[in-house]
Amino acid sequence: AQKITQTQPGMFVQEKEAVTLDCTYDTSDQSYGLFWYKQPSSGEMIFLIYQGSYDEQNATEGRYSLNFQKARKSANLVISASQLGDSAMYFCAMDSSNTGKLIFGQGTTLQVKP
Amino acid sequence: DAEITQSPRHKITETGRQVTLACHQIWNHNNMFWYRQDLGHGLRLIHYSYGVHDTNKGEVSDGYSVSRSNTEDLPLTLESAASSQTSVYFCASGTQWNEQFFGPGTRLTVL
Repeated sequence: AQKITQTQPGMFVQEKEAVTLDCTYDTSDQSYGLFWYKQPSSGEMIFLIYQGSYDEQNATEGRYSLNFQKARKSANLVISASQLGDSAMYFCAMDSSNTGKLIFGQGTTLQVKP
Repeated sequence: DAEITQSPRHKITETGRQVTLACHQIWNHNNMFWYRQDLGHGLRLIHYSYGVHDTNKGEVSDGYSVSRSNTEDLPLTLESAASSQTSVYFCASGTQWNEQFFGPGTRLTVL
């Protein structure tokens, strides 16, 4: 069964420190994509980063990087130099078979402390 | 102008009424999707479309329908609203498999 698991309901991080949000996935497909989205308290879903299953390099977008470990089926999000504005809910999602149909995890709430 | 808009942003309706939520994107993306977000469930796919006149059922499609008469719009209709359909609804669109952009969401309450 295709599934995304985010085991950390809530996380705290000190401002300016790095934080890793965990995501594991389950799929039998060889070709798939992994996404991370940020949902601030205002409610919109903001695309952060994408990793394709055949991408050899870990994806990076500014302060966001995706630690992709294919054998472990994990796609952790690393946020470097946390800012107060990073406080939000973060969702990991998978597009299995590259159909555009996203399966979401239940999310991790991140709070950045000043 | 926002690239993908949803209307209304908030809606309160009564059980049994028909409700239509609008989604409009300006990018001419072929792929459009509707999700619902409930506490404890993340987002779940309701319906999706890969182009004009194409519609497909997602994971939680019962009680919902969509139609795609042009590239820009994918309205979501609740045929007979039920309290279990109280949720936040997100529309999304994309043209490549490595992108999917979301609208601002519609908060629907069914009394």
